[in-house]
Amino acid sequence: DVKVTQSSRYLVKRTGEKVFLECVQDMDHENMFWYRQDPGLGLRLIYFSYDVKMKEKGDIPEGYSVSREKKERFSLILESASTNQTSMYLCASSLPGQSLGQPQHFGDGTRLSIL
Amino acid sequence: SQQGEEDPQALSIQEGENATMNCSYKTSINNLQWYRQNSGRGLVHLILIRSNEREKHSGRLRVTLDTSKKSSSLLITASRAADTASYFCATDAESNFGNEKLTFGTGTRLTIIP
Repeated sequence: DVKVTQSSRYLVKRTGEKVFLECVQDMDHENMFWYRQDPGLGLRLIYFSYDVKMKEKGDIPEGYSVSREKKERFSLILESASTNQTSMYLCASSLPGQSLGQPQHFGDGTRLSIL
Repeated sequence: SQQGEEDPQALSIQEGENATMNCSYKTSINNLQWYRQNSGRGLVHLILIRSNEREKHSGRLRVTLDTSKKSSSLLITASRAADTASYFCATDAESNFGNEKLTFGTGTRLTIIP
């Protein structure tokens, strides 16, 4: 089975801090994704990557950046954390071919609180 | 970007009853997927239906797709307490690199009452 591991289940940081969220997958998937999940808003895509060092903005990239130096690891960076970035962050991975119906495999999420 | 919307937002039923959730979307798709999310966990893929299919079954799950109405429904038959979760539809969407991302709906929170 595919395993997607997020480094922290819960994280508390201060306003203005630089925050790193890490995600690792063990199935050699080309695609990796970062979402945030907020009540009533569902999942919103922040960034995704379809190959090492390749990235594409999602629907809400402002205030975030990403890094993919190795195929198995995709990092989300909050450059200067703000309270409105308090949220549940979900990482996912997949094989190429969403148009062919490739499913995404999710980690268990990081609940991030910015104080 | 297109946004799927599930209906209802929340649903409570007795164990053993059937649960039906609906999803609407806005643009043309190649496929539609349904996912389940247990409280505090990530999403788990349940079932895929392609745009040229009208109905699909997997165990106690039945999915229908009406591309003319841009809508899908997920039916869970003979519900169990373990089915308590949030359910999301997801559609493929165009990106700069082909169709390599999904757009998720806002979810239906299903509660099964023992």
